[in-house]
Amino acid sequence: NAGVMQNPRHLVRRRGQEARLRCSPMKGHSHVYWYRQLPEEGLKFMVYLQKENIIDESGMPKERFSAEFPKEGPSILRIQQVVRGDSAAYFCASSQSSYNSPLHFGNGTRLTVT
Amino acid sequence: GENVEQHPSTLSVQEGDSAVIKCTYSDSASNYFPWYKQELGKRPQLIIDIRSNVGEKKDQRIAVTLNKTAKHFSLHITETQPEDSAVYFCAALGLGKLTFGQGTILTVHP
Repeated sequence: NAGVMQNPRHLVRRRGQEARLRCSPMKGHSHVYWYRQLPEEGLKFMVYLQKENIIDESGMPKERFSAEFPKEGPSILRIQQVVRGDSAAYFCASSQSSYNSPLHFGNGTRLTVT
Repeated sequence: GENVEQHPSTLSVQEGDSAVIKCTYSDSASNYFPWYKQELGKRPQLIIDIRSNVGEKKDQRIAVTLNKTAKHFSLHITETQPEDSAVYFCAALGLGKLTFGQGTILTVHP
């Protein structure tokens, strides 16, 4: 049973470009979460999705950031017009349910904006 | 929303000693409390968790306690080893969202 798969592992973008981060949850998991981690800091919640629905996006910046989890295919975190401050590790996690259920993390995508 | 406070931010122990990390949470509706270990450059890995209907849980050298009345929970590592050195995060799950503490950098000196 493969774990949470994220790609790419490393992504370099110039300021103003778009970044697309992909996440495939563990088999049987229908809940996906995105977290951002700055160097030597904690994990900050961004968004929680189920298939075709955004459940909670309270941690996501209002502009330039969007997320989706379509019926088919991986969840996508999209950052438009990236700025240097977007450089961070972005972790995706998945779970079987939203109650009392462990979150399993992927290996993350390390975004560097030059 | 939920707020999780974690202490200490750094912890240094000698091999064989015990280590204790404490967390408090604000939302009384939170009902699930996992602990994650993150090594440098790697993903957070679940090491132990506890649900709100349980006061204590143990897995070999690791134990977690939960006091729902006081809204705090703790991680206890006994007989620490150098490979326990990492960043440890507590978290609280409420309303479908997992909120993390700020992390504790644990260093175990041989």
